[in-house]
Amino acid sequence: KAGVTQTPRYLIKTRGQQVTLSCSPISGHRSVSWYQQTPGQGLQFLFEYFSETQRNKGNFPGRFSGRQFSNSRSEMNVSTLELGDSALYLCASSLEAVAIGSYNEQFFGPGTRLTVL
Amino acid sequence: GEDVEQSLFLSVREGDSSVINCTYTDSSSTYLYWYKQEPGAGLQLLTYIFSNMDMKQDQRLTVLLNKKDKHLSLRIADTQTGDSAIYFCAVFMDSNYQLIWGAGTKLIIKP
Repeated sequence: KAGVTQTPRYLIKTRGQQVTLSCSPISGHRSVSWYQQTPGQGLQFLFEYFSETQRNKGNFPGRFSGRQFSNSRSEMNVSTLELGDSALYLCASSLEAVAIGSYNEQFFGPGTRLTVL
Repeated sequence: GEDVEQSLFLSVREGDSSVINCTYTDSSSTYLYWYKQEPGAGLQLLTYIFSNMDMKQDQRLTVLLNKKDKHLSLRIADTQTGDSAIYFCAVFMDSNYQLIWGAGTKLIIKP
């Protein structure tokens, strides 16, 4: 099975622009989660989508949004980019939605490196 | 809010054991994970432990969980150069269905 793919791998934008990142989960996986990774800060949870619905959202401003399509592919959008948005954005897929008491392995893509100038 | 803390760096000699530590604050966590990130590669799940376990062993990896002290550790026996990577501890928070991540520990192997 192909792994999680993310496009593009690298992106350079300027402040004020907007950007769309794409994630294709492993075939058969219905849950997609997005994370922001910055050096020394680990991963910060952005949101989780399952069956085209946002199930959970982290503490990020409304400039960060996402969606999921019927084939489970997901996109993340950041509007009005700020310098602080420069980071590695990771997408992870899992078979089912994240649930309490349920082991749920997330499979990560290689990430999209976003640089905001 | 929930916090997960790790040291940023660990340096060990090849062949020695590496012990990477993690502390967390949420006592209701059911699953705790260790992920590995190599340069240019995605995060890869190494192992996990359920909260009702104290220890889990998987080949060269040993995970210890002290729920009372909210302390998790990952021991890598006979550390090899291929173990060079950043190791992340992640704790599942039952309260909001989110994985909370540590900042990652960079494991440096000395010859």
